[in-house]
Amino acid sequence: FMLTQPHSLSESPGKTVTISCTRSSGSIASRHVQWYQQRPGSAPTTVIYEDEERPSGVSDRFSGSIDTSSNSASLTISGLKTEDEADYYCQSYDTNFWVFGGGTKLTVL
Amino acid sequence: QVQLQESGPGLVKPSETLSLTCTISGDSISSYYWAWIRQSPGKGLEWIGYMQNSWRPTYSPSLQSRVTMSLDTSKNEFSLKVLSVTASDTGVYYCARLRAWYAAVVWGQGTTVTVAS
Repeated sequence: FMLTQPHSLSESPGKTVTISCTRSSGSIASRHVQWYQQRPGSAPTTVIYEDEERPSGVSDRFSGSIDTSSNSASLTISGLKTEDEADYYCQSYDTNFWVFGGGTKLTVL
Repeated sequence: QVQLQESGPGLVKPSETLSLTCTISGDSISSYYWAWIRQSPGKGLEWIGYMQNSWRPTYSPSLQSRVTMSLDTSKNEFSLKVLSVTASDTGVYYCARLRAWYAAVVWGQGTTVTVAS
């Protein structure tokens, strides 16, 4: 299966943005979805795991959800800050393999 | 607090073997699954494989003929070897600690590998 994300999104500081991740085959609910943030020049960090769980230290401005009707997962970032400008990758898996989405470049301006 | 530090040669010649090490501090390597993930220049993330101390490694189908992973519990190190490298193996290689076997939750800072003669 593949995970499809929008290539890029742009939003203003203080606003809310939602990044989608659509699974091409198989149910999105059948396997957990993770979201990783990668700021320019830095290693990725995990902002959401297991669909909606936030690691310790991640702001509650980040939230995750899944929608079985569209077979997609979403990462929502509220109260956007300039520091949220980054690439965001979704990731899921099936038996014995992982799949990453192609990444979404989020611009905050 | 767990920390992961990747290390490697930086430059590898085509057809040679790439060897990388991830040194884990602040946690026991035996307690978790660990993964290698790479990123080609300007590209997205690519999963290489994962393993846990008691289980056979699981590799990406696209790389499984050329990769080997191992854990050294005495040194708390996680290693990756990639055989017969080509320019397409150039990129940044990350190790990660997993939650179960399917989610990276702690990442290393990455190590850059260039394949060139």
